[in-house]
Amino acid sequence: KAGVTQTPRYLIKTRGQQVTLSCSPISGHRSVSWYQQTPGQGLQFLFEYFSETQRNKGNFPGRFSGRQFSNSRSEMNVSTLELGDSALYLCASTPGGLDTQYFGPGTRLTVL
Amino acid sequence: AQSVTQLDSQVPVFEEAPVELRCNYSSSVSVYLFWYVQYPNQGLQLLLKYLSGSTLVESINGFEAEFNKSQTSFHLRKPSVHISDTAEYFCAVSYSGYSTLTFGKGTMLLVSP
Repeated sequence: KAGVTQTPRYLIKTRGQQVTLSCSPISGHRSVSWYQQTPGQGLQFLFEYFSETQRNKGNFPGRFSGRQFSNSRSEMNVSTLELGDSALYLCASTPGGLDTQYFGPGTRLTVL
Repeated sequence: AQSVTQLDSQVPVFEEAPVELRCNYSSSVSVYLFWYVQYPNQGLQLLLKYLSGSTLVESINGFEAEFNKSQTSFHLRKPSVHISDTAEYFCAVSYSGYSTLTFGKGTMLLVSP
């Protein structure tokens, strides 16, 4: 089986812009979670989607949003980018949610 | 609040030496415990996990971890490390009924010849 894929792998944006990141889970997996990784804060949970519904949400401002499609692919969007949004954004998938999470390679976002 | 503490941010060791990476968690309920490894410019790879049953779990590349409920710990050990084990290691916990992971800050394992 193919693993979790994330596109693009690298992005450079400027402050105030918005960005959309994409995640394709492992085939058959219905739950997708997103995490932000920064040197200062480490790995922090953003949100989880299961069957197109947001099931859980971390402590991030409303500028961070996501969605999941009927084929389980997920996107996350960050509006009005700030310098502090520079991070590695990781996506993880599980078959039904209450199981081991398998991570993609991440999208490295740099905000200038 | 749930938390995971990795006591060492960096652990330098020589090749073929034993190593222990420490992890403690805060919880009063059932937990699932994980160790993930991250190589430079890559995502997280699952190393091993404890869901239930035997408290000693092993990975295919020689790592092992022991779940100690009384000490709320899940330390990672390897009896003999290789240069290729150089990476950052993350301990994570999820709580019964939830898939969301809470991570520790990570421990950088530096193996030198």
